[in-house]
Amino acid sequence: DAGITQSPRHKVTETGTPVTLRCHQTENHRYMYWYRQDPGHGLRLIHYSYGVKDTDKGEVSDGYSVSRSKTEDFLLTLESATSSQTSVYFCAIRTPGEVTEAFFGQGTRLTVV
Amino acid sequence: GQQVMQIPQYQHVQEGEDFTTYCNSSTTLSNIQWYKQRPGGHPVFLIQLVKSGEVKKQKRLTFQFGEAKKNSSLHITATQTTDVGTYFCAGALRAGKSTFGDGTTLTVKP
Repeated sequence: DAGITQSPRHKVTETGTPVTLRCHQTENHRYMYWYRQDPGHGLRLIHYSYGVKDTDKGEVSDGYSVSRSKTEDFLLTLESATSSQTSVYFCAIRTPGEVTEAFFGQGTRLTVV
Repeated sequence: GQQVMQIPQYQHVQEGEDFTTYCNSSTTLSNIQWYKQRPGGHPVFLIQLVKSGEVKKQKRLTFQFGEAKKNSSLHITATQTTDVGTYFCAGALRAGKSTFGDGTTLTVKP
């Protein structure tokens, strides 16, 4: 597996609380992504980053913010968690070059109660 | 925005039967990628197609990219139980950003 780790792997939190998920890479890749995966919806892009302090919104960014202060870390924050944000969250990095393969982390299962 | 539609959503086959999943984009793509996700796992890259009409094979898997670069297919010949999982296509309009289809979940009955 590519050097990409997510933490925590599982989390249960209460509605209204802030939550931060961490993605760490050891590959020094420029592009990093946060996706959520829900049954019947595949992988939906939340936010992505194309460099330190360079981020952009994906298709389902409402209620989420991100930060990338170092190349290796990409943080996803749920500012005030809601039950609709219960999901599996995947971080990914993408290789540069002709074949831009995406490597995914193991995923974080988040439950908002 | 860009949409990538994938059909069917589910496919149940008997071991040894063939399987095909189709991916259609609302816009012309620069490339398309395919991923496989085993139950409980994370998506794993299978292949990238770039050229119009391109066909690539990986053992029993055949990948095609349409002439207009708006559709693609993945065909598995003689499925095995190890083929179980969800297959996703991901279409890219430009470098660094792809849109994933909703996936086709394949189950194989021994």
